[in-house]
Amino acid sequence: NAGVTQTPKFQVLKTGQSMTLQCAQDMNHEYMSWYRQDPGMGLRLIHYSVGAGITDQGEVPNGYNVSRSTTEDFPLRLLSAAPSQTSVYFCASSYRLTRAGISSGANVLTFGAGSRLTVL
Amino acid sequence: EDQVTQSPEALRLQEGESSSLNCSYTVSGLRGLFWYRQDPGKGPEFLFTLYSAGEEKEKERLKATLTKKESFLHITAPKPEDSATYLCAVQGSGNTPLVFGKGTRLSVIA
Repeated sequence: NAGVTQTPKFQVLKTGQSMTLQCAQDMNHEYMSWYRQDPGMGLRLIHYSVGAGITDQGEVPNGYNVSRSTTEDFPLRLLSAAPSQTSVYFCASSYRLTRAGISSGANVLTFGAGSRLTVL
Repeated sequence: EDQVTQSPEALRLQEGESSSLNCSYTVSGLRGLFWYRQDPGKGPEFLFTLYSAGEEKEKERLKATLTKKESFLHITAPKPEDSATYLCAVQGSGNTPLVFGKGTRLSVIA
């Protein structure tokens, strides 16, 4: 299994350009999410989805759009790139971890390898 | 609001020198506390899930423990290959998304 696949791995944009970061998973996970990771800030949630056709905002959603037309794919769109969006972006998906035969509802995330974006 | 604080920010150990990493948390109805390992240039990798106070999990030189307010990741006789950033995350009730701490960067020197 490929797990969670992110493309591209590296991208340089100019301020105002738009682009889409791709994320695909082959584990039939219902839950998918996008994080950004900045030095000293940890992982911050941008958007997430609990299933096809359902998306919701995380902690830092401004400047980003998402859609979930299939279970497998969850692209992240930057509408008009800004230098503040320079970051490493991680896509993650999950199943529900079952404990003692009872679903705990806790989501164990599987992460992609990341996409490093620089906005000049 | 769910919060996670990890300490120390960075830790430097000699090979074989045991130590612990701390994760303090506040959450409304804990569904799970997670530990991840992240190597430079890679995505985080899952290590453990803990569900209730008193629970412990072990994997090789790592042991995670949980109380009602914090979790510890104990590293026994670490090796240079244990060098990584260790992330703690919590998930609260209502199926809320995971909240991550900022991580502890561990360096183990031979």
